[in-house]
Amino acid sequence: AQSVTQLGSHVSVSEGALVLLRCNYSSSVPPYLFWYVQYPNQGLQLLLKYTSAATLVKGINGFEAEFKKSETSFHLTKPSAHMSDAAEYFCAVSEGSGGGADGLTFGKGTHLIIQP
Amino acid sequence: DAGITQSPRYKITETGRQVTLMCHQTWSHSYMFWYRQDLGHGLRLIYYSAAADITDKGEVPDGYVVSRSKTENFPLTLESATRSQTSVYFCASSGGQGAVIQYFGAGTRLSVL
Repeated sequence: AQSVTQLGSHVSVSEGALVLLRCNYSSSVPPYLFWYVQYPNQGLQLLLKYTSAATLVKGINGFEAEFKKSETSFHLTKPSAHMSDAAEYFCAVSEGSGGGADGLTFGKGTHLIIQP
Repeated sequence: DAGITQSPRYKITETGRQVTLMCHQTWSHSYMFWYRQDLGHGLRLIYYSAAADITDKGEVPDGYVVSRSKTENFPLTLESATRSQTSVYFCASSGGQGAVIQYFGAGTRLSVL
């Protein structure tokens, strides 16, 4: 069975500092991996996805993530935090056909706080 | 482009009552999903559907019923609501095999008193 662990329910960084949100997964087959962002009272928006192509994936709003099979990790980074990045971030995994036909398994989420 | 819409956005009901949450998508996506979001649990899959008249259980299906008579609609019914079903419910859709990305609605916040 697949699972996702997000380290840190809350992460606080200063504006302009590096953002690092951690995600580790377990999967019995090569996974498809996703990062979603949720702003208050809104649905989830896809930030980026890994689908077995390049291991370094670039997403929207300056975010990127690197797939490391040996570490079973898919950490999300952004070089310089902006106040507008404050939100809830979810890492998710899908086995099989890649999320389109399978339910996603989500981590518990990380609340990103940006300090001015 | 309306996308995927959920209604109502907010709902308060009492234990034992039947409640139906609606989900409508305009993309003709074949796959649709229902998740619930609870603090400390992230999102968990309740039910999903591969096409009209085809549904299957997810991780937490107990107490819920779904139907899909038309491709664009995927209602979720709580036949006898319980307080443990107080949650935020999200509907999602995708094009299915190979389509990879799921698109989410804005959610329905349900309170069962």
